[in-house]
Amino acid sequence: EDKVVQSPLSLVVHEGDTVTLNCSYEVTNFRSLLWYKQEKKAPTFLFMLTSSGIEKKSGRLSSILDKKELFSILNITATQTGDSAVYLCAGAFYGGATNKLIFGTGTLLAVQP
Amino acid sequence: DGGITQSPKYLFRKEGQNVTLSCEQNLNHDAMYWYRQDPGQGLRLIYYSQIVNDFQKGDIAEGYSVSREKKESFPLTVTSAQKNPTAFYLCASSMGRGELFFGEGSRLTVL
Repeated sequence: EDKVVQSPLSLVVHEGDTVTLNCSYEVTNFRSLLWYKQEKKAPTFLFMLTSSGIEKKSGRLSSILDKKELFSILNITATQTGDSAVYLCAGAFYGGATNKLIFGTGTLLAVQP
Repeated sequence: DGGITQSPKYLFRKEGQNVTLSCEQNLNHDAMYWYRQDPGQGLRLIYYSQIVNDFQKGDIAEGYSVSREKKESFPLTVTSAQKNPTAFYLCASSMGRGELFFGEGSRLTVL
């Protein structure tokens, strides 16, 4: 059965800390791995990772995929209170012309001032 | 601005009633999706549509129905056959195999 597992389930840090969020997957016909940030309602897209070992960066956020170990991490450096959110990881597999995504349960990150 | 609009944001219904959630997008995306989000369970796929007049069941389609008569619109009907309909419903769209863009969601509560 295809699944995506995220850890930790929740995390509390202080502003300025660096955090690492984990995502492991078992997805048949895997195509890519996606990270989303969900603050209140709509998840917003962060990264799509297709190739192993190539880091993607956006400001203080970065992510990398290991297709051999079936694993991805999301790093956030110098955390701010605005980083507080649920971070969702999803594995995409071949579903015809579109992406079919399997989501993990998310990691709830709370950044305290 | 381009985006996905879901309505209503909050909805209450009595047991045994059908309810329809609206989803409209002006991104010119071909594919549209409906997900359900419950606490501790992440997002689960209900239905998706790759083109107009075509749609496929996701992992938890029982008790739900959809239509795709226009490219911009993908309404979801929660029928009385859905045993546990109280949840947060998210609509999304994508262009081909790109990332999904999500709407703000609709929270349905069954009284």
